[in-house]
Amino acid sequence: KAGVTQTPRYLIKTRGQQVTLSCSPISGHRSVSWYQQTPGQGLQFLFEYFSETQRNKGNFPGRFSGRQFSNSRSEMNVSTLELGDSALYLCASSLAGSGGALRETQYFGPGTRLLVL
Amino acid sequence: GQQLNQSPQSMFIQEGEDVSMNCTSSSIFNTWLWYKQDPGEGPVLLIALYKAGELTSNGRLTAQFGITRKDSFLNISASIPSDVGIYFCAGISNSGYALNFGKGTSLLVTP
Repeated sequence: KAGVTQTPRYLIKTRGQQVTLSCSPISGHRSVSWYQQTPGQGLQFLFEYFSETQRNKGNFPGRFSGRQFSNSRSEMNVSTLELGDSALYLCASSLAGSGGALRETQYFGPGTRLLVL
Repeated sequence: GQQLNQSPQSMFIQEGEDVSMNCTSSSIFNTWLWYKQDPGEGPVLLIALYKAGELTSNGRLTAQFGITRKDSFLNISASIPSDVGIYFCAGISNSGYALNFGKGTSLLVTP
């Protein structure tokens, strides 16, 4: 079974631009979560989507948004990029739905490394 | 989300030694997960724990879900050079779906 895939793997943008990152979950997984990883702050939760609806949200500004499609693929968008948005953006998928903790276990993709100049 | 307290921050050991790291939280978690991350890659799930007191092994790795549900540890026995990486603990509380992560333990193994 293929793992979580993320595209692109690397991206360079300039301040003020916007960026869209893509994530394809493991087949059959219905939940997709997004995380930002930086050396200073570690892994921080951005948001989680389940059945095309944002189910949970972290403490990030409104410039960070996302969506999920009917095939569970998800995109994350960052508008008006700032230097501090440079980070590794990780997507994770889980089975989710009813059934307990096992279904919430998350599997990560390789990440998209974003550099904002 | 809540930041977990993970220690030690880094470890520098010789090949063949055993390693132990742990995570604590002020809140109760229903699930504890341990991940390993190599440079430039996403975290890879090593062990998942779903029940207080549970002790689970995966090869040379052993992890336990603390009985209070507020802590977990990971042991690596007979370390080898490919164990090098950053190990993260993560917890899932009953009230949310997001993973709460520790800051990571950076492990270096010398031959």
